[in-house]
Amino acid sequence: QQPVQSPQAVILREGEDAVINCSSSKALYSVHWYRQKHGEAPVFLMILLKGGEQKGHDKISASFNEKKQQSSLYLTASQLSYSGTYFCGTFKGSGNTGKLIFGQGTTLQVKP
Amino acid sequence: DTAVSQTPKYLVTQMGNDKSIKCEQNLGHDTMYWYKQDSKKFLKIMFSYNNKELIINETVPNRFSPKSPDKAHLNLHINSLELGDSAVYFCASSPYSGGTEINTIYFGEGSWLTVV
Repeated sequence: QQPVQSPQAVILREGEDAVINCSSSKALYSVHWYRQKHGEAPVFLMILLKGGEQKGHDKISASFNEKKQQSSLYLTASQLSYSGTYFCGTFKGSGNTGKLIFGQGTTLQVKP
Repeated sequence: DTAVSQTPKYLVTQMGNDKSIKCEQNLGHDTMYWYKQDSKKFLKIMFSYNNKELIINETVPNRFSPKSPDKAHLNLHINSLELGDSAVYFCASSPYSGGTEINTIYFGEGSWLTVV
């Protein structure tokens, strides 16, 4: 089942903060975050494997609340380069038949 | 050096034609994938291969046939192309080798397919 992201789109000014949420109706064992710039391939940002885990990447960080079956991506003091579509992904299945299922994406536009 | 490379990058073709997209990865990964991204940016897995063996075959029309000659290559052949096949097709790979969790997925640059 596809995770659900919110909001669908965000428009920011440089220096502003944003939060992107990812939730699932089923138990989450891990959350993956990717960013896709316009016309390019999705690029891995980070994986969160444990409930309560938090990770950071420059001024982009994420948290994972497995009990609430959700993860949030935090973009602090946004830069123009942060513009793109952000996808969360959750692992569905087990063993080598498992697969990464992506949310519908959140489009972030950072304006000067 | 491009880690996951696919060709062609752009493909415009007529309905009913047959076309192929080729993909190669030089990361030494065991698993390769094809994902389809539609006009709404929805990214959906189509197939996965692990060491040349088909592992995942999603609900994809059988006009789509993947082929993996070795673990570094995964090609996608599409027969009798339809308008609805227009999308971006991403090849990807990961070091995932059948454990309980999937690792980072590395995507190729994408192949923009337009069927007219």
